[in-house]
Amino acid sequence: DSGVTQTPKHLITATGQRVTLRCSPRSGDLSVYWYQQSLDQGLQFLIHYYNGEERAKGNILERFSAQQFPDLHSELNLSSLELGDSALYFCASSADPRGVANTGELFFGEGSRLTVL
Amino acid sequence: AQRVTQPEKLLSVFKGAPVELKCNYSYSGSPELFWYVQYSRQRLQLLLRHISRESIKGFTADLNKGETSFHLKKPFAQEEDSAMYYCAGYGQNFVFGPGTRLSVLP
Repeated sequence: DSGVTQTPKHLITATGQRVTLRCSPRSGDLSVYWYQQSLDQGLQFLIHYYNGEERAKGNILERFSAQQFPDLHSELNLSSLELGDSALYFCASSADPRGVANTGELFFGEGSRLTVL
Repeated sequence: AQRVTQPEKLLSVFKGAPVELKCNYSYSGSPELFWYVQYSRQRLQLLLRHISRESIKGFTADLNKGETSFHLKKPFAQEEDSAMYYCAGYGQNFVFGPGTRLSVLP
């Protein structure tokens, strides 16, 4: 158990809908990363938050948004869902803003599997 | 833009054979590179990082700046090494390659 919790584990919804995925980082970790893993695709970096502030953005669509709250949990909001948004969404946390600190280790959650019908 | 590539989606070797998982990177400056592994029904986890020059579970990886490569090697593959392997790099973002599925056959 990495200590990173993601909910829900599975989510099925329809096109055009909006969903929120939640991530609770390891206790004390200030950095949260979001990744999307589609079929036959690697981990696509979406966004990185550190202590409530956005640090870096990757290939995140405008229909997607994220935030990190004062208690350090993070939410990824996906709106106007399309079939192609079906994927596994991972959250990872790290103690360091750069994610590398002393160990270079990101701690991953189990992912939230989103299916858009 | 920073980029990590892994040319092989699937690599199959027999138990006891050497294995090399290829990784190439495209970064400006000096990247920090890592290998992550995901075993069946487990979370993605760090295997090793180039700055520590360590050997984990018999795996090593050497950073070759001339070839911009960070290939993962093990001299004698074991069945328990079967997993998904991701090369990753940190520059401006923490970027992962597409992954290589290693299958070690008995």
